[in-house]
Amino acid sequence: DVKVTQSSRYLVKRTGEKVFLECVQDMDHENMFWYRQDPGLGLRLIYFSYDVKMKEKGDIPEGYSVSREKKERFSLILESASTNQTSMYLCASSLRTAAYNEQFFGPGTRLTVL
Amino acid sequence: GQQVMQIPQYQHVQEGEDFTTYCNSSTTLSNIQWYKQRPGGHPVFLIQLVKSGEVKKQKRLTFQFGEAKKNSSLHITATQTTDVGTYFCASRARQTGANNLFFGTGTRLTVIP
Repeated sequence: DVKVTQSSRYLVKRTGEKVFLECVQDMDHENMFWYRQDPGLGLRLIYFSYDVKMKEKGDIPEGYSVSREKKERFSLILESASTNQTSMYLCASSLRTAAYNEQFFGPGTRLTVL
Repeated sequence: GQQVMQIPQYQHVQEGEDFTTYCNSSTTLSNIQWYKQRPGGHPVFLIQLVKSGEVKKQKRLTFQFGEAKKNSSLHITATQTTDVGTYFCASRARQTGANNLFFGTGTRLTVIP
């Protein structure tokens, strides 16, 4: 059974803290994605990676960075968390040719920044 | 602007009624994918359409891709409480050479028993 896991379901951090969100997939997928989900705004792509050590900016990369040192792991980093980064964060993975392959999502991390 | 516009944003139906959500674009789309997210859950892939005028069915769900490949619809016949959730469409991002999806804002379906 395919699986995408995220390190935390719920996270509470303070403004200015450095935050790491981890995502692991066991499907040997080339592509991995980070989205944030906010009411009325749907899923917005933050960053994606199509290979180890490769990354591409999505639609809303400001305030975020990513790291992909191993194929199965994709990390999202908030260098200095701010209250407007309070959101649900979803990780996903897919086979190569991401635009035409289904994406498998993790359970999500609900981050609250106080 | 938005690559795909999804309407309506919310829909409340009585159990047994039909439901339709629409995904529209001003430009030709390469493909359309549909996902369902149950309350408290994560999006799960339902189907992909790539051909002009394509129609696919999954039990009570009917998916259509417009002839001009600028719109798509998801129709549920005789809704059940298990259909509750948010339905998203997604298509290949517009940028040249893009290899990622752009998601619509979703339609949240509530089914009243």
